[in-house]
Amino acid sequence: DSGVTQTPKHLITATGQRVTLRCSPRSGDLSVYWYQQSLDQGLQFLIQYYNGEERAKGNILERFSAQQFPDLHSELNLSSLELGDSALYFCASSVASGTYNSPLHFGNGTRLTVT
Amino acid sequence: AQSVTQPDIHITVSEGASLELRCNYSYGATPYLFWYVQSPGQGLQLLLKYFSGDTLVQGIKGFEAEFKRSQSSFNLRKPSVHWSDAAEYFCAVGAGGTYKYIFGTGTRLKVLA
Repeated sequence: DSGVTQTPKHLITATGQRVTLRCSPRSGDLSVYWYQQSLDQGLQFLIQYYNGEERAKGNILERFSAQQFPDLHSELNLSSLELGDSALYFCASSVASGTYNSPLHFGNGTRLTVT
Repeated sequence: AQSVTQPDIHITVSEGASLELRCNYSYGATPYLFWYVQSPGQGLQLLLKYFSGDTLVQGIKGFEAEFKRSQSSFNLRKPSVHWSDAAEYFCAVGAGGTYKYIFGTGTRLKVLA
C-alpha cells in the first residue's frame, strides 16, 4: 500500500460530461502529481502541485484543471469529455517539490471510460 | 533533452530463470534513477531507487539494479523470476531540482510456468 488514495476507482460517463477525480497524498507528502496513462501514449505527466500551489504543467489539455486544497488533497477536473480522454488517471505524491532524492508514490488510479 | 529508453517492449522468461531489463537514460548531470512495477489494474509501485553512492542498489521483491555511468544505463536484475513477477516495469529518471520525472515506455514481462 503506497498510502496514496484515489477515488473513484472506476468512472463511466458520456461525451461532453464533466467529472472530478480525487486524490489524497501520503501522510507528510506535500507534492501531488497527476498522470494520464493510455495504451497509445504511455504515462503522460499532466500537472504538479506543491503545498497548494501549481508548480508545473505538462501535457494537460485546457479542458482539464486541477487544484490542491489546504488539507493537501487534490482534485483533477475533466470537462467536455471526449472518447479519447478514456484512460487511467494516476495521482502520485512525494515529500519534496523537486525530484532530488524523492521518489513518487502512486495511487491505484481511476479508470475513466467515456462512451 | 532528458530521456529514458527501455529497448525491450516485451520480454518472456521461464520461471526460475534470471532476468535483466534494460534502461538507458540521457541526462547531463548525475541522475536520480528509479524502477517501478505495475501489475494489471494497479498503480506503479517503487522497486528501488538510486541517488548516489554504491552503484548496485537492492530493492524489494529480490530485485537489484546497477548504475553504470559510462554506459548511461540502469538495468534491473533478478536472479530467479517467480510467476508473480509478471507485470510491466518502468524505468524513470528524476531531473535534479526540477519537477520532472521522465518515464520510459515500459517493458512487459511474461513468465512461463
